[in-house]
Amino acid sequence: DAKTTQPPSMDCAEGRAANLPCNHSTISGNEYVYWYRQIHSQGPQYIIHGLKNNETNEMASLIITEDRKSSTLILPHATLRDTAVYYCIVRVVTRAGNMLTFGGGTRLMVKP
Amino acid sequence: DGGITQSPKYLFRKEGQNVTLSCEQNLNHDAMYWYRQDPGQGLRLIYYSQIVNDFQKGDIAEGYSVSREKKESFPLTVTSAQKNPTAFYLCASSTRRLAAGTDTQYFGPGTRLTVL
Repeated sequence: DAKTTQPPSMDCAEGRAANLPCNHSTISGNEYVYWYRQIHSQGPQYIIHGLKNNETNEMASLIITEDRKSSTLILPHATLRDTAVYYCIVRVVTRAGNMLTFGGGTRLMVKP
Repeated sequence: DGGITQSPKYLFRKEGQNVTLSCEQNLNHDAMYWYRQDPGQGLRLIYYSQIVNDFQKGDIAEGYSVSREKKESFPLTVTSAQKNPTAFYLCASSTRRLAAGTDTQYFGPGTRLTVL
């Protein structure tokens, strides 16, 4: 199973871009990178996912390196409401289905 | 409104009692999952179900039981055999059953169980 490594915490100024890194050096060719975030005492919220190409949606952009060993989640204009724990997950594919293995995540603090 | 509901939001029980946590979804998803989260930690998979009347153990199934009699419902019972039941419990669902392409998991709001 591909594991992920994220910094435990990061700060970002409100209105600035937040760039959250993730290392997944053992990722397999058919494993997707998913990003979720969890605001305190709530269920995780899906943000974005990708395989090889960069992806963008209304919440964020996902930049995956060419060798797929790392990725960066970009929140283009961080707001105070983006303060949360962000989880980078490599989706494990098994015979029975698709499992998400959550690590410790990055605690992003957006400051005024 | 489509979504996943978990009830109650907070639950208190005495040690030695079984307790059942509810999870309902109206997203027409085939797969449902239960996770446990301890303070400051990531999520750990307890049980999952890819289809009605079928379920599989996750990484930490001991002391828990589930049923999947209806597509919409996946209740979790925390039994007295679970040594440290106090935790935040999260239910999720997704569309696909088998490994093919992508299937995003969507989470409910969680139930915080405290055993006194």
